[in-house]
Amino acid sequence: GAVVSQHPSRVICKSGTSVKIECRSLDFQATTMFWYRQFPKQSLMLMATSNEGSKATYEQGVEKDKFLINHASLTLSTLTVTSAHPEDSSFYICSAYLATGGDEQYFGPGTRLTVT
Amino acid sequence: GENVEQHPSTLSVQEGDSAVIKCTYSDSASNYFPWYKQELGKRPQLIIDIRSNVGEKKDQRIAVTLNKTAKHFSLHITETQPEDSAVYFCAASITGNQFYFGTGTSLTVIP
Repeated sequence: GAVVSQHPSRVICKSGTSVKIECRSLDFQATTMFWYRQFPKQSLMLMATSNEGSKATYEQGVEKDKFLINHASLTLSTLTVTSAHPEDSSFYICSAYLATGGDEQYFGPGTRLTVT
Repeated sequence: GENVEQHPSTLSVQEGDSAVIKCTYSDSASNYFPWYKQELGKRPQLIIDIRSNVGEKKDQRIAVTLNKTAKHFSLHITETQPEDSAVYFCAASITGNQFYFGTGTSLTVIP
């Protein structure tokens, strides 16, 4: 099946710094990537939809200036958490959607962000 | 936007029994309904999906049913095994667009 990688898997940063998370589709080109946030024992909350070469579409309540998304190529999307605060600590998961492969989205392994 | 509700939030069954998880959705335009299994700290894994032109789909011990009129769909796991223990999420999507997840069901299969 299609493989999606995410880097880093874990990151600890100090409050006020920025953190970049990369999501890569390794063996296919993804026209669309999704970014989710998951709190412990809770569901995946869609943050934004990222389409290659265009601006990301953010869900209501998600600050686009806080969570910067760039989808510069068909295999790479990045999420930058700017001026991170402890409340940004969470599990961030990306997924890649293959338009020609049916409707399935392929998930990355997730990134555990801890802001101290 | 789409609102997906999922019940129950926790479910315990004896090994060998069946488990049923139910979801409802609000947007009648949704036409793709996947189910995911997520183990602690890991990525969600697709276990079965159904499209709106199909009422039921089965894959070995797992089946999904869809009622478009009532806007609900269900996951059925038969002959449960301890390795089925995990959190299960339903989701609804308009093909290729945003996926909206249910709140999750923590399934425990008791040996």
